[in-house]
Amino acid sequence: DTGVSQNPRHKITKRGQNVTFRCDPISEHNRLYWYRQTLGQGPEFLTYFQNEAQLEKSRLLSDRFSAERPKGSFSTLEIQRTEQGDSAMYLCASSFTSGGAGRDTQYFGPGTRLTVL
Amino acid sequence: EDKVVQSPLSLVVHEGDTVTLNCSYEVTNFRSLLWYKQEKKAPTFLFMLTSSGIEKKSGRLSSILDKKELFSILNITATQTGDSAVYLCAVAGDYKLSFGAGTTVTVRA
Repeated sequence: DTGVSQNPRHKITKRGQNVTFRCDPISEHNRLYWYRQTLGQGPEFLTYFQNEAQLEKSRLLSDRFSAERPKGSFSTLEIQRTEQGDSAMYLCASSFTSGGAGRDTQYFGPGTRLTVL
Repeated sequence: EDKVVQSPLSLVVHEGDTVTLNCSYEVTNFRSLLWYKQEKKAPTFLFMLTSSGIEKKSGRLSSILDKKELFSILNITATQTGDSAVYLCAVAGDYKLSFGAGTTVTVRA
């Protein structure tokens, strides 16, 4: 399967703990995105990378959140000092910047469901 | 701030019925509009629309965009139980997708 993969698929943690999620994009895709989705809502943009450069961050991304894509391949999203409000599905997506509207088609991974107790 | 509104929020139909889903938007620097299907997992890509008035079709699904009135519709004909899902509309701006809340479609046998 050459789609976007995410690990772990589920994570249960206690409030105040740190968690880290991993995303492996489609291999030829140079853009990688993180979104957060809560029940009954569509995904909300958090941040994106083009190759290893983090180009945009949403104001939803508080100081407790950090994302990296050190070699322009996989990415990690870390949440420090988790709060109950962080409970959500964290989705990763990737796309290829080819010019034109083709880059707009983002392909999503299965997500990591975070539950903060 | 970008705004994408989908209607209805949910609907229940019987197999064989036709459904029409609506999406209206207000987005700066509009590039394209995309439809995704989500079944308790990752959203899966259905269509990308960039030009007004050109219908895109894939089997029983079709979609059209009106850039003047800022809306799109997604039609599903001859619905099947496997069409039960949340259908998400997203609009591409400069770099991100802005999503609506989705329409939950339930198809009963």
